[in-house]
Amino acid sequence: GAVVSQHPSWVICKSGTSVKIECRSLDFQATTMFWYRQFPKQSLMLMATSNEGSKATYEQGVEKDKFLINHASLTLSTLTVTSAHPEDSSFYICSAEEGAMNTEAFFGQGTRLTVV
Amino acid sequence: DAKTTQPTSMDCAEGRAANLPCNHSTISGNEYVYWYRQIHSQGPQYIIHGLKNNETNEMASLIITEDRKSSTLILPHATLRDTAVYYCIVSGGYQKVTFGTGTKLQVIP
Repeated sequence: GAVVSQHPSWVICKSGTSVKIECRSLDFQATTMFWYRQFPKQSLMLMATSNEGSKATYEQGVEKDKFLINHASLTLSTLTVTSAHPEDSSFYICSAEEGAMNTEAFFGQGTRLTVV
Repeated sequence: DAKTTQPTSMDCAEGRAANLPCNHSTISGNEYVYWYRQIHSQGPQYIIHGLKNNETNEMASLIITEDRKSSTLILPHATLRDTAVYYCIVSGGYQKVTFGTGTKLQVIP
């Protein structure tokens, strides 16, 4: 199957700093990518839909100014957690689809963010 | 809104078939049934999907009832590496993928 790569796999940052997470589709073009957040022992929660060349669409309750999403090319979307705080510590996961209808999504390996 | 309901957890003996049920009584005509699984601390992995016919691939089989209101994912010979949370998702067209709580499958030696 198609490969989606996330980087970094884990990151520790100080409170108040910003962290950028990259999501790349390695062998296909993805006009749409999705960002999820997962807290321990919980399911994945969709944060936003990232559309190449346009603004991201955020789910209700997700602060767009805190979680900046950029999808500048068909193979790369980035999520920047700005002014991170300990409560932002979580497992962040991206996914991408090849663009055809009714096809499966491919997920990155996830990024473990710890804010200290 | 929860589109699917799954048991919270299940156990399966190693080497036996694991049958994971999913109810999706409000599924609409253009929505497919997808199954993903998430092994601890990893991103979800696609398993299989189908519309109305039963499907089989190298990982699993998917049995969808004739009325499409429920389905069963079958892992024919469960191994310890199949221990994971299994998510049943209904989605159609270009809908975004949203996750429910899934079924935690524990394969027992």
